[in-house]
Amino acid sequence: AQKVTQAQTEISVVEKEDVTLDCVYETRDTTYYLFWYKQPPSGELVFLIRRNSFDEQNEISGRYSWNFQKSTSSFNFTITASQVVDSAVYFCALSDYSGGGADGLTFGKGTHLIIQP
Amino acid sequence: GAGVSQSPSNKVTEKGKDVELRCDPISGHTALYWYRQSLGQGLEFLIYFQGNSAPDKSGLPSDRFSAERTGGSVSTLTIQRTQQEDSAVYLCASSLVSGGGQSDTQYFGPGTRLTVL
Repeated sequence: AQKVTQAQTEISVVEKEDVTLDCVYETRDTTYYLFWYKQPPSGELVFLIRRNSFDEQNEISGRYSWNFQKSTSSFNFTITASQVVDSAVYFCALSDYSGGGADGLTFGKGTHLIIQP
Repeated sequence: GAGVSQSPSNKVTEKGKDVELRCDPISGHTALYWYRQSLGQGLEFLIYFQGNSAPDKSGLPSDRFSAERTGGSVSTLTIQRTQQEDSAVYLCASSLVSGGGQSDTQYFGPGTRLTVL
């Protein structure tokens, strides 16, 4: 069975600090996809990134970066120079090769990130 | 372009009543997914449609839950004889296709908050 663990329930940092959100996953599939979604106070889940299991290259998008390590089954998310607008709940999710079709996405419990001004 | 829309945004009902939740996917998206988000259970996958067909309904919490999709577009999730434990946010997502590849990334709607009194 698939499982996603986000051990950090809540993180609070002061604006401009860097922060890393941890995600550890379990799957027996050799081909799978990992995702990060952001859920701001408005409630809508916003897609941030998708990574397939064959691509271990780290990715950077502006202040956001992701570190995928198959050896440790981790897909961590770092926000550099955090801003108040980054405050949200962040979810890590996993799907098998079908891309979340019949089995859907398996989500972690989420990390509530609070950026204090 | 328009994203996934859901209605109503909020629904308050009395225990034992039936409710219908509606999802309008992104135009052209063939795959549609329903999830439930509650404090205790986090984000749970409920059901997936490819076109009008739902190949696996085992994710639905009980036989009081049913879902249909018509015309390959709008979907309704129906909960009969609602119970207090049905209170949650019901999220709908759609993707261009399913089965792997960038095109099956799921995009979420704003959700319907259901409160059963």
